[in-house]
Amino acid sequence: AQKVTQAQTEISVVEKEDVTLDCVYETRDTTYYLFWYKQPPSGELVFLIRRNSFDEQNEISGRYSWNFQKSTSSFNFTITASQVVDSAVYFCALSEATQGGSEKLVFGKGTKLTVNP
Amino acid sequence: NAGVTQTPKFQVLKTGQSMTLQCAQDMNHEYMSWYRQDPGMGLRLIHYSVGAGITDQGEVPNGYNVSRSTTEDFPLRLLSAAPSQTSVYFCASSPDRGRGSQPQHFGDGTRLSIL
Repeated sequence: AQKVTQAQTEISVVEKEDVTLDCVYETRDTTYYLFWYKQPPSGELVFLIRRNSFDEQNEISGRYSWNFQKSTSSFNFTITASQVVDSAVYFCALSEATQGGSEKLVFGKGTKLTVNP
Repeated sequence: NAGVTQTPKFQVLKTGQSMTLQCAQDMNHEYMSWYRQDPGMGLRLIHYSVGAGITDQGEVPNGYNVSRSTTEDFPLRLLSAAPSQTSVYFCASSPDRGRGSQPQHFGDGTRLSIL
């Protein structure tokens, strides 16, 4: 069975600190996709990134960066110079193939990040 | 372009009542799905659909029905509400049924309380 573990339930940092959110996954698929979503206090889900299993290059988008390592089955998310607006719950997710040829997402339980001024 | 629209945003039901949560998307997406979010549990898939007339069960389908008569709409039905179904429900859609095109478009959610 597919599984996504976000071991950090809650993290609290002071503004401008760097913070890394951990995500460890389990899968038997050779081809799979990993995702990060952000859920701010307002409740909506915001897509951040999608990464396929064949692309291990790290990605940077502004203050956000992602470190994908197949050897350790991890897809960690780092926020550099955190800001109060980064306060949210962050979810890591893994795609799971279905018998019908489609796929469905398995989510981790989320990490609540609080950035204090 | 409204994206994924869920109605209602809030609802309170009594145990045993029935209700339909509405979800509509205007992006001509084939794939639509319903998730529930409970504290400390992340999001769990209830049902999904890869196109009109095709639906399948997710991780927690019991107590819920779905149908997909059109590409645009994917309603979720609670036939006899139970307190355990108190949750926030999210509908999502994505462009096609293939790998890697998983939901990138979520609705704003429906907060449902069952008394």
